[in-house]
Amino acid sequence: GQQLNQSPQSMFIQEGEDVSMNCTSSSIFNTWLWYKQDPGEGPVLLIALYKAGELTSNGRLTAQFGITRKDSFLNISASIPSDVGIYFCAGSYGNNRLAFGKGNQVVVIP
Amino acid sequence: DAGVIQSPRHEVTEMGQEVTLRCKPISGHNSLFWYRQTMMRGLELLIYFNNNVPIDDSGMPEDRFSAKMPNASFSTLKIQPSEPRDSAVYFCASSFRTVNTEAFFGQGTRLTVV
Repeated sequence: GQQLNQSPQSMFIQEGEDVSMNCTSSSIFNTWLWYKQDPGEGPVLLIALYKAGELTSNGRLTAQFGITRKDSFLNISASIPSDVGIYFCAGSYGNNRLAFGKGNQVVVIP
Repeated sequence: DAGVIQSPRHEVTEMGQEVTLRCKPISGHNSLFWYRQTMMRGLELLIYFNNNVPIDDSGMPEDRFSAKMPNASFSTLKIQPSEPRDSAVYFCASSFRTVNTEAFFGQGTRLTVV
């Protein structure tokens, strides 16, 4: 199956700092998605990217679809305590299928 | 808008028992996915349906697992007989099938098999 590598696996950041995370693969994807999962909840869609090179923002979140279609990054600016959670990247391929990364645990220190 | 609704939220059962997880997708969505999440393996796609028809069940672990979608508003994932290694969080997600897929997840069912 398609493999997505997220880095780093976890990060501890000070409130107010920016945080960036990456997702890479050896496979090409049609769409890149970023999800956030809070404890005890399902993943919630944050941003969807549809075209290579596309840069999209949603409030304090910015994400980009890599030119090669094999990678994406997510940036969170001016982090706040409620940004804590697990962030997953996902890529769509083939017939409506999604592959997920293992997730990136973000901890915001007040 | 009501999102994807899963029931039950938590299920504890004894090994060997049958377990049925339920899902109501978002109205109007025509694709439905069942995922399993564990610490070791992350999110794994078990099966997905398009227009109530199973398209790909290659992720279903073994014959003990089965899934049905009798209509556009309901799906079940059944495990019979259950084993301790089936303990995980099971998510249902739905989407409106286009070239660009955006799947919306339910809150999950946490299954514990003892």
